[in-house]
Amino acid sequence: SQKIEQNSEALNIQEGKTATLTCNYTNYSPAYLQWYRQDPGRGPVFLLLIRENEKEKRKERLKVTFDTTLKQSLFHITASQPADSATYLCALTAAWGGKLIFGQGTELSVKP
Amino acid sequence: GAVVSQHPSWVICKSGTSVKIECRSLDFQATTMFWYRQFPKQSLMLMATSNEGSKATYEQGVEKDKFLINHASLTLSTLTVTSAHPEDSSFYICSATRLAGGTDTQYFGPGTRLTVL
Repeated sequence: SQKIEQNSEALNIQEGKTATLTCNYTNYSPAYLQWYRQDPGRGPVFLLLIRENEKEKRKERLKVTFDTTLKQSLFHITASQPADSATYLCALTAAWGGKLIFGQGTELSVKP
Repeated sequence: GAVVSQHPSWVICKSGTSVKIECRSLDFQATTMFWYRQFPKQSLMLMATSNEGSKATYEQGVEKDKFLINHASLTLSTLTVTSAHPEDSSFYICSATRLAGGTDTQYFGPGTRLTVL
């Protein structure tokens, strides 16, 4: 069956460091991979989308990589800030406009 | 731009009653709206996909007679939880995609917390 796995353990890092979150998938061939941020009691907020033929995407302090051979995406936040503390979700879709399949999310806590 | 709202933000109801949740795209027309359910510390699980003017497509295991979805316009979709029971208590989130152009990203609403007593 299709499976998407993110770090189940919460990630605690010091302010200013780089946070790296992992998303692994099996039995799936996604065309697109997306990362979202979710704060407690709120809906997800879109951060970045990367296509299967792209290796890396950047947006300000965020960077996403996509390795379809390893079936893995890495999400980096550089110069992390306490305001970056949230749960980060990866989501895959097989087709443009198709349904998203979400990972369970990784909770990030950035300490001042 | 691309704001999605939900109403109500939270609702408490008695077992056996029905609850309606609205999802609106405020500044764009949405070709497709999605309904998700999220239990504490778990992932978002897609319940159904709805296109304006069409019947919703439900995911396996989701009872279409219990979770009624209506997508009457390009800016409004509703989810009605009929004869709600305590096990239906959850966080319900909708999302919408744009009509044309853009990156076809799903824009999510703020969610509705349903508690069934």
